[in-house]
Amino acid sequence: NAGVTQTPKFQVLKTGQSMTLQCAQDMNHEYMSWYRQDPGMGLRLIHYSVGAGITDQGEVPNGYNVSRSTTEDFPLRLLSAAPSQTSVYFCASTQGQGQPQHFGDGTRLSIL
Amino acid sequence: AQKVTQAQTEISVVEKEDVTLDCVYETRDTTYYLFWYKQPPSGELVFLIRRNSFDEQNEISGRYSWNFQKSTSSFNFTITASQVVDSAVYFCALRAYSGAGSYQLTFGKGTKLSVIP
Repeated sequence: NAGVTQTPKFQVLKTGQSMTLQCAQDMNHEYMSWYRQDPGMGLRLIHYSVGAGITDQGEVPNGYNVSRSTTEDFPLRLLSAAPSQTSVYFCASTQGQGQPQHFGDGTRLSIL
Repeated sequence: AQKVTQAQTEISVVEKEDVTLDCVYETRDTTYYLFWYKQPPSGELVFLIRRNSFDEQNEISGRYSWNFQKSTSSFNFTITASQVVDSAVYFCALRAYSGAGSYQLTFGKGTKLSVIP
């Protein structure tokens, strides 16, 4: 059972570079989300999607872009990396609004 | 807007002690869901329990128990006879109608529990 798969697990970028964090789920879940986790801040919602072709902003969307062309995939794009985006990023999916979220193992991203 | 407050940033207990992790939430919605997640030192997020706003029945699962009280907007988590393997960061989360047509999950900042052998 793959569940939610995130790649890469670690990444170091230079300021100004762009990159895409990949997220894929094989549970046919409609709802997918991206969170960032910073020390002492808990998890904060970046963007989310309620189905293919539908995305919306969360609490901290600036500097990030998402798309949802298929049910399975929900990539997160950093347009121009900044040191403030150094964080651990988690992708999650859920079957329904009242169901628990299934999380990927996270991507640890460092921006120099 | 919704909010989750976990006032205890860090807790240390000696093994076999009982410990309660507090969670207080705010929402204007009458329909909502509350969750607890565990994040061990390895970093993954593990789902522990879900409770909906219409079910105030307390739940017990082995050494874990949860006390949901709508009157005080609290959803506290108790570990009985703590063990070293319980050492982790625990997150309380709230999912309520956001007003934008979708439910969003709001996390507390987490409580780091250290169980000392």
